[in-house]
Amino acid sequence: NAGVTQTPKFQVLKTGQSMTLQCAQDMNHNSMYWYRQDPGMGLRLIYYSASEGTTDKGEVPNGYNVSRLNKREFSLRLESAAPSQTSVYFCASRRTGQSEQYFGPGTRLTVT
Amino acid sequence: QKEVEQDPGPLSVPEGAIVSLNCTYSNSAFQYFMWYRQYSRKGPELLMYTYSSGNKEDGRFTAQVDKSSKYISLFIRDSQPSDSATYLCATAPGSARQLTFGSGTQLTVLP
Repeated sequence: NAGVTQTPKFQVLKTGQSMTLQCAQDMNHNSMYWYRQDPGMGLRLIYYSASEGTTDKGEVPNGYNVSRLNKREFSLRLESAAPSQTSVYFCASRRTGQSEQYFGPGTRLTVT
Repeated sequence: QKEVEQDPGPLSVPEGAIVSLNCTYSNSAFQYFMWYRQYSRKGPELLMYTYSSGNKEDGRFTAQVDKSSKYISLFIRDSQPSDSATYLCATAPGSARQLTFGSGTQLTVLP
């Protein structure tokens, strides 16, 4: 089992460019999440998907879109990147009925 | 006021010391409590999980929840340099759909 995988590991974008962060899990979990982590701010929820076909906004959704492609995959898109989106992005998944979430290794994004 | 407050540290201790990491929370609806460990440049990994009040022990780690004072603790006995990491507390209400995280405490165990 690979658990939660994320691609790419690193990315540098110029302001205004777009990109999609990919996440996949092989644990047959129904719920998936996207977080960003900034120094001193902890983990902040961007979007989550309680099940295939549904998505909901979290604490900091502005500037992002998501797609729950199927049960395994949940992608995060930045349509027009801004320097304020420089961060480390984590994907996580959770089994229905449990509260603990399992995280991927993260994507380090720098927007210049 | 944040729903979960955690002293960011940094905290440095000598090898073999007992470490106490703490969080406070404000929402009395929180029932699930977790501790995650995050090594530098890695994703958070689940370390301990407890439901409601009480203690839970796993090897050198003990998680403690006091719901009356809304206080969460993680104790590490016989700390090792390999315990050097950032420790994040997390809580969830009964629905358990979303977690609320503390900002993390950076711990260094010196050999």
